[in-house]
Amino acid sequence: NAGVMQNPRHLVRRRGQEARLRCSPMKGHSHVYWYRQLPEEGLKFMVYLQKENIIDESGMPKERFSAEFPKEGPSILRIQQVVRGDSAAYFCASSPSRVQAGYEQYFGPGTRLTVT
Amino acid sequence: DAKTTQPNSMESNEEEPVHLPCNHSTISGTDYIHWYRQLPSQGPEYVIHGLTSNVNNRMASLAIAEDRKSSTLILHRATLRDAAVYYCILRKNYGGSQGNLIFGKGTKLSVKP
Repeated sequence: NAGVMQNPRHLVRRRGQEARLRCSPMKGHSHVYWYRQLPEEGLKFMVYLQKENIIDESGMPKERFSAEFPKEGPSILRIQQVVRGDSAAYFCASSPSRVQAGYEQYFGPGTRLTVT
Repeated sequence: DAKTTQPNSMESNEEEPVHLPCNHSTISGTDYIHWYRQLPSQGPEYVIHGLTSNVNNRMASLAIAEDRKSSTLILHRATLRDAAVYYCILRKNYGGSQGNLIFGKGTKLSVKP
């Protein structure tokens, strides 16, 4: 059973370009979470999605960032007009259910975004 | 969400047990106690979770105080591979959770050969 997959693992973008980060949850999981880890800092929640729905985006920056989890295909975190401060590791996690606090989240290996 | 307090860092010798403490004095009756760890340059990894009773799995044991205001993650025999940042996290159960994990600074565990 494959784990959470993220691609690309490393992404380099120039300032002003767009970055697209992909996340395929574990088989059977319908809930996806995105977290960001800035250099030398802890992980911060960004957004929580279910298929075709954004459940909680309270951690998303108000501008330039968007996320989707379509009916078919991976979840996408999109950053428009990237700036140097967007350089970070972006982690995706999945879980089988929203409501059971006992269910753990399974994390992917992350995408390391570098903005030059 | 209730807050957790952990030591910034701890050291252990290889092959010895490690006890990682976590204080959560404002825990509510519906909060689960979760532990995750993050190895260098990797994504977080689930370790264990519990509500009231002590829990064991293949990775670790979780000892929960009777009043639930503190817990201890126990690694029975530390290996070099256990060197990581360990996070103690409280999550609300059904009806109160929005699903996301709130990571603090965690405890950085170093294991000496």
